[in-house]
Amino acid sequence: AQSVSQHNHHVILSEAASLELGCNYSYGGTVNLFWYVQYPGQHLQLLLKYFSGDPLVKGIKGFEAEFIKSKFSFNLRKPSVQWSDTAEYFCAVNASYNNNDMRFGAGTRLTVKP
Amino acid sequence: EPEVTQTPSHQVTQMGQEVILRCVPISNHLYFYWYRQILGQKVEFLVSFYNNEISEKSEIFDDQFSVERPDGSNFTLKIRSTKLEDSAMYFCASRRGAPSDTQYFGPGTRLTVL
Repeated sequence: AQSVSQHNHHVILSEAASLELGCNYSYGGTVNLFWYVQYPGQHLQLLLKYFSGDPLVKGIKGFEAEFIKSKFSFNLRKPSVQWSDTAEYFCAVNASYNNNDMRFGAGTRLTVKP
Repeated sequence: EPEVTQTPSHQVTQMGQEVILRCVPISNHLYFYWYRQILGQKVEFLVSFYNNEISEKSEIFDDQFSVERPDGSNFTLKIRSTKLEDSAMYFCASRRGAPSDTQYFGPGTRLTVL
């Protein structure tokens, strides 16, 4: 079964700093990859996803992620974070052929200091 | 923009009681899911539902859990005899079709078992 690892549990940055959150997955087949964000007190929202094509995916709010198949990675990046980016970030994966479950990473809490 | 809705937002119950958590998925979606998130932990898959039957369930989804789509709009999760460890945030999600389609999440129901 697929699994997802997020190595950073809590990241603290100052505004305007660059962000990179790591995500590695374990699965031998073709996958779809997602980054969700959970702002304090709110539900999960999709930031971006990859399922085929250009491995560099751009999402909302200036976020992007790069799928590196050889490294089984899908790291999330943002060149300059804002205080409003403070949230929990979850990487998720499902198998391309599988209509069923989606596996989530443990999440990374991002705190951006004003 | 259509969204997944969940009721109630917070449910408090006594151990051993039955609870029903309700969800209204997005209307043209075909795949429905329940996830839970214990406080401070990752989002965990519980069950997926398609074509009026369970398509996959996790080891968490034991005989105490059941799901139902009683009509054309609602999707419910029932816990027959709640335990303290069932206390968590329960998220409903729906997806239109292909695995690469976005899963849209509801705002969650916080279940507190006393």
